[in-house]
Amino acid sequence: QKEVEQNSGPLSVPEGAIASLNCTYSDRGSQSFFWYRQYSGKSPELIMSIYSNGDKEDGRFTAQLNKASQYVSLLIRDSQPSDSATYLCAVKKDSSASKIIFGSGTRLSIRP
Amino acid sequence: EAGVAQSPRYKIIEKRQSVAFWCNPISGHATLYWYQQILGQGPKLLIQFQNNGVVDDSQLPKDRFSAERLKGVDSTLKIQPAKLEDSAVYLCASTPDPSTGYTFGSGTRLTVV
Repeated sequence: QKEVEQNSGPLSVPEGAIASLNCTYSDRGSQSFFWYRQYSGKSPELIMSIYSNGDKEDGRFTAQLNKASQYVSLLIRDSQPSDSATYLCAVKKDSSASKIIFGSGTRLSIRP
Repeated sequence: EAGVAQSPRYKIIEKRQSVAFWCNPISGHATLYWYQQILGQGPKLLIQFQNNGVVDDSQLPKDRFSAERLKGVDSTLKIQPAKLEDSAVYLCASTPDPSTGYTFGSGTRLTVV
């Protein structure tokens, strides 16, 4: 079982709709959760972080965390063509090592 | 705030040759990471530094990869000798606090032929 799992996609969503990206993780002791956006040929960019159960909203982005189900998601409202990218879910274990484990990413395509 | 600087941006070498990558983190960021990202995959941690000490190098192929962070600032990652499967983007990242996530540099794309 991978430590962080994501559906590789591609996920195709019409412009203006809500894009929903999902991620599961294996270590129940994980405490910090992140979503990175990566455009083709570019490096990952941090767009959201979440630490407690529930929802966290930032503009058009909402991160959702359910530690009991070991599930984290990212919702993108009013999807724009500029949102087309690969979205990486990342998880930090609560340990002294403090490294972040990345999923393999979900490729999102917003169609006009 | 200046970002994480990496060089070179691209490198093409033949197998069995050696190569080195350089990273200068954001000023004041004590924690520095090197990740390897193979096309279509997520970044995989190679090594983590806290100041100039190694915190985690459990996934670094030590028979061919080495890294150092002198004076707790910039860092170099070396591969010697390179193999075809080392073709990837090598990403450097830094952070003042791992709990808040990282900032990545632009990466070095390595092609081994």
